[in-house]
Amino acid sequence: DAKTTQPTSMDCAEGRAANLPCNHSTISGNEYVYWYRQIHSQGPQYIIHGLKNNETNEMASLIITEDRKSSTLILPHATLRDTAVYYCIVRPISNDYKLSFGAGTTVTVRA
Amino acid sequence: DAGVIQSPRHEVTEMGQEVTLRCKPISGHDYLFWYRQTMMRGLELLIYFNNNVPIDDSGMPEDRFSAKMPNASFSTLKIQPSEPRDSAVYFCASSPGTRPLYEQYFGPGTRLTVT
Repeated sequence: DAKTTQPTSMDCAEGRAANLPCNHSTISGNEYVYWYRQIHSQGPQYIIHGLKNNETNEMASLIITEDRKSSTLILPHATLRDTAVYYCIVRPISNDYKLSFGAGTTVTVRA
Repeated sequence: DAGVIQSPRHEVTEMGQEVTLRCKPISGHDYLFWYRQTMMRGLELLIYFNNNVPIDDSGMPEDRFSAKMPNASFSTLKIQPSEPRDSAVYFCASSPGTRPLYEQYFGPGTRLTVT
């Protein structure tokens, strides 16, 4: 699977948009970008995924660059409950159901 | 739905003892995963099942670890004998296996401490 690079940590203000970057410069054409998050003392939670088009759901938006080498997860109105570790994962469309979690970005939302 | 259920939530045991962790996946999900999370190694996949059959156990650290799924609603992860380095949070996750989403739903985890 392609390797991803994320900042170790970031802060954002409550009520503001949080933009979480992820680099995946070696991504191939058959690989999706997934985002999960893990709130303290809980299991990881799926947020969103995409292939090449921008995606939006009730939790977040995913913006993928045209060359697919990077993406940004956007939390439109961050709340204190969004404080968590956010994982960007790249994986191929295949029968392999493995998810490989890296170190992620620790996001702290401050009041 | 109650989500993925794991028991116990916390387990403290002495080195050399047998430990059994339990998981009930979400009803209707065909895939079940066991993960381990430590500060040093992060979140690691240990093994996963499809329709109760183990598909990939390459992440199981050694023979002291074993996992079973006797039916679609129950799985166990056993460590025998346990060692202090097994101390970690163990997560169970299940998935409906819908392509290409492969969304996995995680349980709350079992925090294992081996003294």
